[in-house]
Amino acid sequence: SQQGEEDPQALSIQEGENATMNCSYKTSINNLQWYRQNSGRGLVHLILIRSNEREKHSGRLRVTLDTSKKSSSLLITASRAADTASYFCATGRGGSNYKLTFGKGTLLTVNP
Amino acid sequence: DAGVTQSPTHLIKTRGQHVTLRCSPISGHKSVSWYQQVLGQGPQFIFQYYEKEERGRGNFPDRFSARQFPNYSSELNVNALLLGDSALYLCASSFIERTSGNTIYFGEGSWLTVV
Repeated sequence: SQQGEEDPQALSIQEGENATMNCSYKTSINNLQWYRQNSGRGLVHLILIRSNEREKHSGRLRVTLDTSKKSSSLLITASRAADTASYFCATGRGGSNYKLTFGKGTLLTVNP
Repeated sequence: DAGVTQSPTHLIKTRGQHVTLRCSPISGHKSVSWYQQVLGQGPQFIFQYYEKEERGRGNFPDRFSARQFPNYSSELNVNALLLGDSALYLCASSFIERTSGNTIYFGEGSWLTVV
């Protein structure tokens, strides 16, 4: 079963707008990673945030983590058409946390 | 440096056949994991290998097996293929065994179609 649930399932915006995607999970985690996947391609790593961190930035990306609510958000600012892709959150748990558990993803469409 | 490389990129098999998928991790990475992604879903964990030993297995039948070689490359084998095995198979590598604080890098995947 999949632990993470991304919300919304699909998001359509105009170029230049900001896009926010949310992820909720059920059990305790050690870290959370966000990935991008272009249609039919592999996963591209975006950001890793550890359970003791609350916010991380990378370029136009901002990720927050709220372990009390078991949720994370990914913000893409000033979106571009090239940002069109599916976005997944993946959680790694403590202990034998060699495995990532993915949600179903958010399909982001950025219209030029 | 090359990323995670997988082969073949696409293949078509018939029900009941066997398939072998191959993966080369990023240089220096000793951990390799395999994931299955069916259309419209997120990837599902199949196996993890570290230092040539299986360290984790997901909820997949025994028709799925894997191994890791001394050079840390890996093979995923699936026997007695079913239509439901049609999916994108992703290989991932990381520097050390545990994912805690370690980025996991994925390859482009192998698209398997079972007819």
